[in-house]
Amino acid sequence: GQNIDQPTEMTATEGAIVQINCTYQTSGFNGLFWYQQHAGEAPTFLSYNVLDGLEEKGRFSSFLSRSKGYSYLLLKELQMKDSASYLCAVKDSNYQLIWGAGTKLIIKP
Amino acid sequence: DAEITQSPRHKITETGRQVTLACHQTWNHNNMFWYRQDLGHGLRLIHYSYGVQDTNKGEVSDGYSVSRSNTEDLPLTLESAASSQTSVYFCASSTLAEVDEQFFGPGTRLTVL
Repeated sequence: GQNIDQPTEMTATEGAIVQINCTYQTSGFNGLFWYQQHAGEAPTFLSYNVLDGLEEKGRFSSFLSRSKGYSYLLLKELQMKDSASYLCAVKDSNYQLIWGAGTKLIIKP
Repeated sequence: DAEITQSPRHKITETGRQVTLACHQTWNHNNMFWYRQDLGHGLRLIHYSYGVQDTNKGEVSDGYSVSRSNTEDLPLTLESAASSQTSVYFCASSTLAEVDEQFFGPGTRLTVL
């Protein structure tokens, strides 16, 4: 079966750095997405990786290793507004998105 | 500005009733999707469409149907609502580009009593 694993919850301190991991086992791979979802709101797109390596976008970076079936989202200079759930999703061989259950990130002052 | 809207935002219904959730996008996207989101689960795909008159079943399509008569709208119908269909429903749309990020509507919270 297809599986996306992420930690359920993480806690970090304002101003610090946090890394949210995602491991996947899917039938094929056509890209990996990270989305942010604030409580009670819709998911919004953060990043996309299809080749191995690091993609940087301001305070957020996303890394992919296809051989290891592994990605992480790195958030730097954490702000209180970064408190949200972070969803990892993989596009499989049918070009359908398979979603992880999400990681709830709690930021403490 | 382009957007994707859903209505109603909240709905309470009774078991056995037919319910239709509306989704309307002004992005002019070909692809549209319906998901449900439940605690402890990732987003699960119900139905999707790649264009007018095209509809496809997703992972959890039993008890749901969709129709696509124009580019902008993909209504989701629960034929006979069941308590197991209590959930938050999200509609999304995307382009045909390689980085086909999905744009999500605000969601509909459905409670089936």
